[in-house]
Amino acid sequence: AQTVTQSQPEMSVQEAETVTLSCTYDTSESDYYLFWYKQPPSRQMILVIRQEAYKQQNATENRFSVNFQKAAKSFSLKISDSQLGDAAMYFCAYRSAQNTDKLIFGTGTRLQVFP
Amino acid sequence: KAGVTQTPRYLIKTRGQQVTLSCSPISGHRSVSWYQQTPGQGLQFLFEYFSETQRNKGNFPGRFSGRQFSNSRSEMNVSTLELGDSALYLCASSVLWGANYGYTFGSGTRLTVV
Repeated sequence: AQTVTQSQPEMSVQEAETVTLSCTYDTSESDYYLFWYKQPPSRQMILVIRQEAYKQQNATENRFSVNFQKAAKSFSLKISDSQLGDAAMYFCAYRSAQNTDKLIFGTGTRLQVFP
Repeated sequence: KAGVTQTPRYLIKTRGQQVTLSCSPISGHRSVSWYQQTPGQGLQFLFEYFSETQRNKGNFPGRFSGRQFSNSRSEMNVSTLELGDSALYLCASSVLWGANYGYTFGSGTRLTVV
C-alpha cells in the first residue's frame, strides 16, 4: 500500500521569504501523480501544483515549485516570496495512475506567515 | 462556472441517527470522490463514483454508503451514527475517472454527532 509522510507538522516563514515543505512517499508503482493541496480556514482544498512521475522536469506554478526526486521518493514544495495569503494547511497527496481517482494524503503541514 | 457544491455546510445529529450528505460536481464533471477529514485520522478516502458506479471504496464500515445519479450528483449516507463519525466530509469532482485531470473540491459538510 502507498503511504505519504509529511514530517513537519508546522512551519513558519516571514513575508517575502522562501520556505520549503517536505513530503516523502512510499510506493512500488512506477507511474503515479503527486500533488500539493492548500486548505485555508474556508476548508476548501485548493490545488497548488501537481507532478507526473514520468516527467523528470520539476513542476512550477508562479511562486510555487517542487523538487521531485523519484529515486528518493521525495516531493518537496518551495514557496518563494511568501505572502500572508499563503498561510494555510498544506497537504501532499499521491494518486496511482492505475484506474482510480483515489488520493492518498499526508498528515499536513500548517504554514504560518509572519509580516 | 459554479464550483463543487456540498450541502448542507453544517449538520448536527444524534448518535444512532442516519444522515445523507449531497455533492453536486462542476458541470461536465462525471467523477466524484468522497473523503473524511478528522484531526486524528487526517484525510481518508471513502469512495469514488463514475457513471453511477462505485469504482473503489476505502476502509470504512458498511454504515457508510453512497451513490451517484445520472446527472453525476452524488450522495453519501451514514447510518447508525457514532460519535467518531464527527468529521468534515469533502467531495471532489473530476472530468473523467482515472484520467490525468485535476480535482476540484467542495467546501465540505461539517458533521457533528452528539
